[in-house]
Amino acid sequence: IPVTQSPSSVSASVGDRVTVTCRASQDIGNWLAWYQQKPGRAPKLLIYETSNLQSGVPSRFSGSGSGTDFTLTISSLQPEDFATYYCQQANSFPLAFGGGTRVEMK
Amino acid sequence: EVQVVESGGGLVQPGGSLRLSCAASGFTVSTNYMSWVRQAPGKGLEWVSIIYSGSGGTDYADSVKGRFTISRHNAGNTLYLEMNSLRPDDTALYYCARTKFPYWYFDVWGRGTLVTVSS
Repeated sequence: IPVTQSPSSVSASVGDRVTVTCRASQDIGNWLAWYQQKPGRAPKLLIYETSNLQSGVPSRFSGSGSGTDFTLTISSLQPEDFATYYCQQANSFPLAFGGGTRVEMK
Repeated sequence: EVQVVESGGGLVQPGGSLRLSCAASGFTVSTNYMSWVRQAPGKGLEWVSIIYSGSGGTDYADSVKGRFTISRHNAGNTLYLEMNSLRPDDTALYYCARTKFPYWYFDVWGRGTLVTVSS
């Protein structure tokens, strides 16, 4: 089940609220995860099952949605949050990632 | 500490073969689901293969089916990816990742090993 992210990039400032959207081609229930990747680093799990925060992830990150439309929100962007974010559908094989959203400094 | 460390990448000619390894510590490979995920240079993430806990059942992305084989060595607590008939579009950083059942997300990642397929 392919997933599509938007926007592909966003320019924001520290303190901004940032929203990233992920759309699945068919109903995937709540089976969606979000990852953060910084240059030269492995992806890091942020959120699983749409809205469950992975241990150690700051509470400014949140996820919502169900079915085909999902959202990752960073409530107040911090300097360490400039990175690329990927969604991943976890409903069925083959597991699939979105194309990524790069959060850049304005 | 829970971690995985990949190795075995390198430069290989088209049509060649390579075997990647992933050494785990802090948890047991055979009682967990384990995947390989790859990332072509400057591109996004692509799930490649999974091996199931216990039974050792496997699944593959269509792009590698019939060419790649995932396996594990229980005593060595190590995951493998045997790659045959390599093509230039297999060039990527290959990550080993622990995969949580039944939610199918990846909670532990290595730093990756780079595979370059070029003549």
